[in-house]
Amino acid sequence: DTGVSQDPRHKITKRGQNVTFRCDPISEHNRLYWYRQTLGQGPEFLTYFQNEAQLEKSRLLSDRFSAERPKGSFSTLEIQRTEQGDSAMYLCASSPRGEGETQYFGPGTRLLVL
Amino acid sequence: LAKTTQPISMDSYEGQEVNITCSHNNIATNDYITWYQQFPSQGPRFIIQGYKTKVTNEVASLFIPADRKSSTLSLPRVSLSDTAVYYCLVGDIGYGNKLVFGAGTILRVKS
Repeated sequence: DTGVSQDPRHKITKRGQNVTFRCDPISEHNRLYWYRQTLGQGPEFLTYFQNEAQLEKSRLLSDRFSAERPKGSFSTLEIQRTEQGDSAMYLCASSPRGEGETQYFGPGTRLLVL
Repeated sequence: LAKTTQPISMDSYEGQEVNITCSHNNIATNDYITWYQQFPSQGPRFIIQGYKTKVTNEVASLFIPADRKSSTLSLPRVSLSDTAVYYCLVGDIGYGNKLVFGAGTILRVKS
């Protein structure tokens, strides 16, 4: 399968712990996006990379959240000192560069903070 | 930001055509309109994308009027497996903070 993959698919953690999620985009897609989705809502943009450069972060994104894409391929999203409000589905998407291109989403990582 | 507005839910029967409209009054010149389908506990799945007029692929059609302030996703002959949430996304994927999903439309297809 050559789609976007995410790992793990599910994560349960205790409040205050750090968690890290991984996203592998579609090969040769140089744009990579992270979103968060809570129940009953649409995905909410978190951050965006073009190759290894983090071009944008949501203005609402807490500084407990950090993302990297060190070699312009896979990306990691880390949440430090998790809070119960961080419980959500974390989605990764990738796209080729260019006007009119489309984002393709991975299956998501479901996080539950107890 | 191009805020989108969609109906919260729609009901249909198998074999019918379903049209879901999305309003996006302040769409920008460089914005595209993209529709996604999402099943529970899965990521959104791309359905169709357009900029203006009409676009058709093997699963859907997308109608965009000249002023581009709305768009309509048309699903021909729906089946039970089309029961899902449908999202309209308006934006330019080169500008992440402008990528705003609405709350989506829950489509329920009945037999």
